[in-house]
Amino acid sequence: KQEVTQIPAALSVPEGENLVLNCSFTDSAIYNLQWFRQDPGKGLTSLLLIQSSQREQTSGRLNASLDKSSGRSTLYIAASQPGDSATYLCAATGNQFYFGTGTSLTVIP
Amino acid sequence: SAVISQKPSRDICQRGTSLTIQCQVDSQVTMMFWYRQQPGQSLTLIATANQGSEATYESGFVIDKFPISRPNLTFSTLTVSNMSPEDSSIYLCSVARTATYEQYFGPGTRLTVT
Repeated sequence: KQEVTQIPAALSVPEGENLVLNCSFTDSAIYNLQWFRQDPGKGLTSLLLIQSSQREQTSGRLNASLDKSSGRSTLYIAASQPGDSATYLCAATGNQFYFGTGTSLTVIP
Repeated sequence: SAVISQKPSRDICQRGTSLTIQCQVDSQVTMMFWYRQQPGQSLTLIATANQGSEATYESGFVIDKFPISRPNLTFSTLTVSNMSPEDSSIYLCSVARTATYEQYFGPGTRLTVT
């Protein structure tokens, strides 16, 4: 069964810092890897989707990479802002969707 | 993308009662899912509700407790029956595009059972 792990579980950084969130998965036979943002008590907002044939995707200050062979994906956030504070979840799509436990990010003004 | 709405956004219910959560999508989609997220936890899939077939439940979830309807390609309901405090969670519906399997989520329903 696919297992998805996100490290660290929590991260606190000063405003303006660049940061990397990590997502690891055990089964490389995935269809895609999707990154989400979740604000407290809210639903999930899709940030980036990387298809299995792709290596990375970019949207604004966000860049997500995918290395299927090593079972890893990273989400890079440039010039972090307090508004980026949220929980970030990754999900690997195989025969179903497998979610990580998330990284809680706090950006300190 | 897909825009998804859920009703109610939150509710406080008494033990033993039932609550039906509605999920409305702004476009036709085949694949729809219901998740539960308990405080501080990640998402747990309750069931897959594809239009035209019976809902498929994950291990630990049964139809008598969580009946689901999927009458058309834009709408679904999840009922949480005979509620107990352990059912207090955020309930989320999501859809996925068949071509890309990209998922979109509704805003969630925060349920508190007293």
